[in-house]
Amino acid sequence: ETGVTQSPTHLIKTRGQQVTLRCSSQSGHNTVSWYQQALGQGPQFIFQYYREEENGRGNFPPRFSGLQFPNYSSELNVNALELDDSALYLCASSLRDRGRTATEAFFGQGTRLTVV
Amino acid sequence: ILNVEQSPQSLHVQEGDSTNFTCSFPSSNFYALHWYRWETAKSPEALFVMTLNGDEKKKGRISATLNTKEGYSYLYIKGSQPEDSATYLCAFIRGGADGLTFGKGTHLIIQP
Repeated sequence: ETGVTQSPTHLIKTRGQQVTLRCSSQSGHNTVSWYQQALGQGPQFIFQYYREEENGRGNFPPRFSGLQFPNYSSELNVNALELDDSALYLCASSLRDRGRTATEAFFGQGTRLTVV
Repeated sequence: ILNVEQSPQSLHVQEGDSTNFTCSFPSSNFYALHWYRWETAKSPEALFVMTLNGDEKKKGRISATLNTKEGYSYLYIKGSQPEDSATYLCAFIRGGADGLTFGKGTHLIIQP
């Protein structure tokens, strides 16, 4: 077990709705990243938060937004859901220092989102 | 657009045999290369983080090499066991970026 937990594990939403996914980072980690894995693809980087600020973003529209809290837990919010948003959403935490050391990421088991 | 390619896409190996597979990535602006093992119904687990050209890392029967000049990494498994069955993902980080760019993975099945 990595110590990274995500909730819920499964979720079904209707097109146009909004969804919030949650992640609790491993203790002591100050960085959280979110990834989307569609069927048959590798995980795609959505964005990363470091000390409560977004500091990197992949090729995802603004309706994908996030938050990181002082205890380093995190949320991923998706507005105006589309059918193509159906995917596994993975959260990963890591410890980053000022020098941006290349450390391993610890992943949660993911949230399976289905948009109908 | 960054492309991380992994081959083969899937692989069946007899228990006890050794195997290897490939990850290729852009050779310019390299920062780090990660390997993860992802077993069904579990979360991806880090195997190696590699940063230097010529790096070789080993964990038990699994090892990896890195060539940043030509943009490839090999993952080797010696004496495959059924518990090695998983999807193996490699991920690249370029300089100045923060997220991992993943390949689609190699799905490994070890047959008893």
